[in-house]
Amino acid sequence: DAGVIQSPRHEVTEMGQEVTLRCKPISGHDYLFWYRQTMMRGLELLIYFNNNVPIDDSGMPEDRFSAKMPNASFSTLKIQPSEPRDSAVYFCASSLERSTEAFFGQGTRLTVV
Amino acid sequence: AQSVSQHNHHVILSEAASLELGCNYSYGGTVNLFWYVQYPGQHLQLLLKYFSGDPLVKGIKGFEAEFIKSKFSFNLRKPSVQWSDTAEYFCAVRTSGNTGKLIFGQGTTLQVKP
Repeated sequence: DAGVIQSPRHEVTEMGQEVTLRCKPISGHDYLFWYRQTMMRGLELLIYFNNNVPIDDSGMPEDRFSAKMPNASFSTLKIQPSEPRDSAVYFCASSLERSTEAFFGQGTRLTVV
Repeated sequence: AQSVSQHNHHVILSEAASLELGCNYSYGGTVNLFWYVQYPGQHLQLLLKYFSGDPLVKGIKGFEAEFIKSKFSFNLRKPSVQWSDTAEYFCAVRTSGNTGKLIFGQGTTLQVKP
């Protein structure tokens, strides 16, 4: 298996633009997590899905952030409009069942200028 | 609500020194516990995990961790560190109950001097 695949790996955008991050989980995994990593706040859980349904989005910082999982093999995290403070590395992870370990993608490094 | 606390934010050791990184969690129910490692510029990789049974678990690269239920702790240890262990280490907790939520501690940066 290719593992969790995220795209793009790097994204540089101007403040105010819409940004879409993409994630393909490992086939057969039924949990998908989105995390944001910054120096100041560490690794924050933004939202996670079970069987394509959002279970907990309490970590989503603002209404500017939204996430979808239209099917079992694809998820997006969208920021609209983006701001410089959104600059971070965004990780997607997936797991099989609710108690097993999660496997991480390579991350997307987002820079908003 | 569950939470994870890592005591050390930055640890500097010389090669061959012993390592212990502290991790405490708060959650009243059954949990599964993990340690992940993130090498510079890379994604998180699993070091070891505890689900049940023997509270002393062994992971890759000579790491081990001990689950002490009464202390809500899951400390990571390695008897002798190497320069290649320089990385960031994250403790994580996942509830095995209703939701399967997986949260991480703030991370500990380990720097090993050759």
